[in-house]
Amino acid sequence: GAVVSQHPSWVICKSGTSVKIECRSLDFQATTMFWYRQFPKQSLMLMATSNEGSKATYEQGVEKDKFLINHASLTLSTLTVTSAHPEDSSFYICSANLPDTQYFGPGTRLTVL
Amino acid sequence: QKEVEQDPGPLSVPEGAIVSLNCTYSNSAFQYFMWYRQYSRKGPELLMYTYSSGNKEDGRFTAQVDKSSKYISLFIRDSQPSDSATYLCAMRESNAGNMLTFGGGTRLMVKP
Repeated sequence: GAVVSQHPSWVICKSGTSVKIECRSLDFQATTMFWYRQFPKQSLMLMATSNEGSKATYEQGVEKDKFLINHASLTLSTLTVTSAHPEDSSFYICSANLPDTQYFGPGTRLTVL
Repeated sequence: QKEVEQDPGPLSVPEGAIVSLNCTYSNSAFQYFMWYRQYSRKGPELLMYTYSSGNKEDGRFTAQVDKSSKYISLFIRDSQPSDSATYLCAMRESNAGNMLTFGGGTRLMVKP
């Protein structure tokens, strides 16, 4: 199956700092990647759709200036949480799009102190 | 009403039992159906993918789709403790650009 990696797998940061999360498709190219957020015991919540070479499409209620997405190549998308606050603490998961369905990364656990 | 309904569980079964996980949906435009398994603190892993009504089998897993009733199921035979995880159903329309609509997930616990 298709392999998607995320880095880092977990990160702890101080309030007010910015954190960058990388999502890579390892054995295929993905023109579209998705970023999700997941709270404990809840399903995935789509944050944005990342398209290679163009601006990301954000879901309603997601602040584009706070969650910066860059999809600079066919194998890499990044999510930067700017000026992070404790309420941004969550599990962030990316997925890469193939013709049949989405393949997910292992997730990044962000804790903001 | 959510587009996709899934019993949150938790569902607790003894090792070796047959497990039935179910989702109902309201959007008749959904044509592609998936089941993902998610272990705690991990990303979802694709288990089954199907686009037609009927059954699809892969080892101990069988996915069943009934488009007329808007109902899908995942059966796990001879369940193992390693099957303990949250199972998410997901589905999409034909021309949705792979935008998935997820169920809320069912937490399964298989006790040895």
